[in-house]
Amino acid sequence: DAKTTQPPSMDCAEGRAANLPCNHSTISGNEYVYWYRQIHSQGPQYIIHGLKNNETNEMASLIITEDRKSSTLILPHATLRDTAVYYCIVMEAAGNKLTFGGGTRVLVKP
Amino acid sequence: NAGVMQNPRHLVRRRGQEARLRCSPVKGHSHVYWYRQLPEEGLKFMVYLQKENIIDESGMPKERFSAEFPKEGPSILRIQQVVRGDSAAYFCASSPSTGGPQPQHFGDGTRLSIL
Repeated sequence: DAKTTQPPSMDCAEGRAANLPCNHSTISGNEYVYWYRQIHSQGPQYIIHGLKNNETNEMASLIITEDRKSSTLILPHATLRDTAVYYCIVMEAAGNKLTFGGGTRVLVKP
Repeated sequence: NAGVMQNPRHLVRRRGQEARLRCSPVKGHSHVYWYRQLPEEGLKFMVYLQKENIIDESGMPKERFSAEFPKEGPSILRIQQVVRGDSAAYFCASSPSTGGPQPQHFGDGTRLSIL
């Protein structure tokens, strides 16, 4: 079973920031938070991951609360091509099994 | 800079036939993972392999399904005597052999349809 909880869907205006929340209240000290997305008819695409510090790359930023019980993925300037299902997953560094929950279906509107 | 390559992209089989799905990992990656996505459902882990070894097959159905990752060549997911319920998208992922939280990188899947 997935150890994360995400809203099932959200809309976002094109050009605006999209903030995707994720709760992982039972996360263990050695578990990382990973974000993936799946655009229709494609394989999951890795976005970003972090342990406890905030992380940023060319795609997104990841903000993890100090108690690590929740996190937020930020897409700084959403485009129509960001429409996808976004998955928040927790897994140990040595883990090998990504457990996908229902994710958040994000629709970016013009 | 090729990513994970899966073929075929679409595969149609009749009930009782065999299905062979192939996965070439990212160059230099020696860890391969297979996942299945049933229609309107989430992805489910099936098996994790390293070269010539099955490390974790806890998500594989007990019968008809097998996987291999030989020393040379792609990883193969084999489904014998397919049934309608095997219709799904099968995704392969790979990661490097180095330690640490290496993310898995996915291919675009093989969509298996059983007639």
